Amino acid sequence: NAGVMQNPRHLVRRRGQEARLRCSPMKGHSHVYWYRQLPEEGLKFMVYLQKENIIDESGMPKERFSAEFPKEGPSILRIQQVVRGDSAAYFCASSPEIVASGRNEQFFGPGTRLTVL
Amino acid sequence: DAKTTQPNSMESNEEEPVHLPCNHSTISGTDYIHWYRQLPSQGPEYVIHGLTSNVNNRMASLAIAEDRKSSTLILHRATLRDAAVYYCILRDRTQGGSEKLVFGKGTKLTVNP
Repeated sequence: NAGVMQNPRHLVRRRGQEARLRCSPMKGHSHVYWYRQLPEEGLKFMVYLQKENIIDESGMPKERFSAEFPKEGPSILRIQQVVRGDSAAYFCASSPEIVASGRNEQFFGPGTRLTVL
Repeated sequence: DAKTTQPNSMESNEEEPVHLPCNHSTISGTDYIHWYRQLPSQGPEYVIHGLTSNVNNRMASLAIAEDRKSSTLILHRATLRDAAVYYCILRDRTQGGSEKLVFGKGTKLTVNP
């Protein structure tokens, strides 16, 4: 049973380019979460999605960032016109159907390390 | 979100028990206590969670104070592989509450051979 997969593992972009980060949740999981970890800092929640729906995007920057989780295929975190401050590790997590709020375990992927030159 | 307070770092020797404390004096009656850890250059990994009673699993034990204002993660025999940053996180079990994890700075555990 494969875990959460993220690709690419490392991504280098120049300022102004677009970055697309992909996340395939664990089999049977319908909830996806994205977190960002800036260098030497803790993880910060960005967005929580279910299939075709954004449930909570309270941690997403208002501009340049967007996320989707289509009916088919992986979840995508898209960063337009990247700047150096976007350099960070981006982690995706997934969980199965929520049967009891606050209890479900989130399974994390290995992360994508974005470097903006 | 209710806040947690953890020591910045702790050190242990291999094969010895480790007690990682967490204070959460503003915990509400609807909050679960979760622990995750992050090994170097990896994504976080779930360790354990509890509500009121002490909990055990194959990775660790969780001891919860009677007033729930603090908890302790116990690694019974530390190995080098347990060197990681350990995060204590409160999660609201209220129906419709946010499912996001709110990470603090955590405790960096160093295990000496």
